[in-house]
Amino acid sequence: AQTVTQSQPEMSVQEAETVTLSCTYDTSESDYYLFWYKQPPSRQMILVIRQEAYKQQNATENRFSVNFQKAAKSFSLKISDSQLGDAAMYFCAYWGGATNKLIFGTGTLLAVQP
Amino acid sequence: DGGITQSPKYLFRKEGQNVTLSCEQNLNHDAMYWYRQDPGQGLRLIYYSQIVNDFQKGDIAEGYSVSREKKESFPLTVTSAQKNPTAFYLCASKGGFNQPQHFGDGTRLSIL
Repeated sequence: AQTVTQSQPEMSVQEAETVTLSCTYDTSESDYYLFWYKQPPSRQMILVIRQEAYKQQNATENRFSVNFQKAAKSFSLKISDSQLGDAAMYFCAYWGGATNKLIFGTGTLLAVQP
Repeated sequence: DGGITQSPKYLFRKEGQNVTLSCEQNLNHDAMYWYRQDPGQGLRLIYYSQIVNDFQKGDIAEGYSVSREKKESFPLTVTSAQKNPTAFYLCASKGGFNQPQHFGDGTRLSIL
């Protein structure tokens, strides 16, 4: 069965600095998608970035980028120039054709210090 | 604007009572999902539906029921059999295979 592991329950970063959130996953599928979702205190789930497994190039969305290591089954999120509004719970998620459902990690709570 | 609407935002349940959470989407998505989130935890899948008049159990379906009579609507009923219903409930929908899930704003359910 597919699993997603986020080993950092909490992280802290200074405003304007860079932080990396870790995520590893386990799967036997070759075609799948990986996502990072942000959940601020409002509890909305906001898509931050997505990565297709067949693409070698790491996805980037403005200040957010990923380091996708397919062989190592690692999918970390880098936030550059951290802002106070980045403070939230971040969830890593996996989607594969065999399971046909989104599998979430347990989340990393990111605090941004002014 | 297209999106997913969940209602109500807050809901209270009495002992032995069934309550229904509403989820409506106007994104023309085929697939819809219900998740439960407990404090400090990730999301767990309750039920999902990939097409009208069809749905499947997720990982924690006991004590819950759903229907999918219309493409736009996927209501979740929390039955009296669910002994610990206090949680935050999120509904989501999804377009094609390679598309991400879009989420509603959630419903917080508490026991009176």
